[in-house]
Amino acid sequence: GAVVSQHPSRVICKSGTSVKIECRSLDFQATTMFWYRQFPKQSLMLMATSNEGSKATYEQGVEKDKFLINHASLTLSTLTVTSAHPEDSSFYICSASSGIDYNEQFFGPGTRLTVL
Amino acid sequence: GQNIDQPTEMTATEGAIVQINCTYQTSGFNGLFWYQQHAGEAPTFLSYNVLDGLEEKGRFSSFLSRSKGYSYLLLKELQMKDSASYLCAALDSNYQLIWGAGTKLIIKP
Repeated sequence: GAVVSQHPSRVICKSGTSVKIECRSLDFQATTMFWYRQFPKQSLMLMATSNEGSKATYEQGVEKDKFLINHASLTLSTLTVTSAHPEDSSFYICSASSGIDYNEQFFGPGTRLTVL
Repeated sequence: GQNIDQPTEMTATEGAIVQINCTYQTSGFNGLFWYQQHAGEAPTFLSYNVLDGLEEKGRFSSFLSRSKGYSYLLLKELQMKDSASYLCAALDSNYQLIWGAGTKLIIKP
């Protein structure tokens, strides 16, 4: 099956710093990548959808300037949490779709962000 | 509005069968997914249904009734490793996944 990697898997940072999370599709070209956030014991919350070469589409309530998304190539998307605060601590998960078959999104392993 | 309903938590016994139900209301419909998520890990794909009926895949089966806006995930011969959250998600007319809150399944020996 298709493989999606995320890096880093865990990150601890100080309040006010920025954190970049990478999402890579390893064996297929991802025309669309999705970024989710999941708080403990809650379901996935879609933050934004990004298509290669174009601006990301953000969900209502998600700050574009705080969560910067770049989908520069068909295999890489990055999420940068700018000026992170403790309330941004969460599990961030990306998924990727080839766009050919809408049957499935392939999920990365997730990144656990802790902001002190 | 769009909505997915599934039970918050279920408990079952090792070796038994459990059925996790999901009802959905979406703007258009392009299929229904079930994902398994262990604590601290990302979801993994279990099944996809777009036509009415039952899809069987080993110990797991998934059923869909489009007219009723209803699906269930059936797990047979339960094993301790099946303890996880099971997420139901419907694909709407814009091919956007609408997620349920997940059902936490607890397996007891």
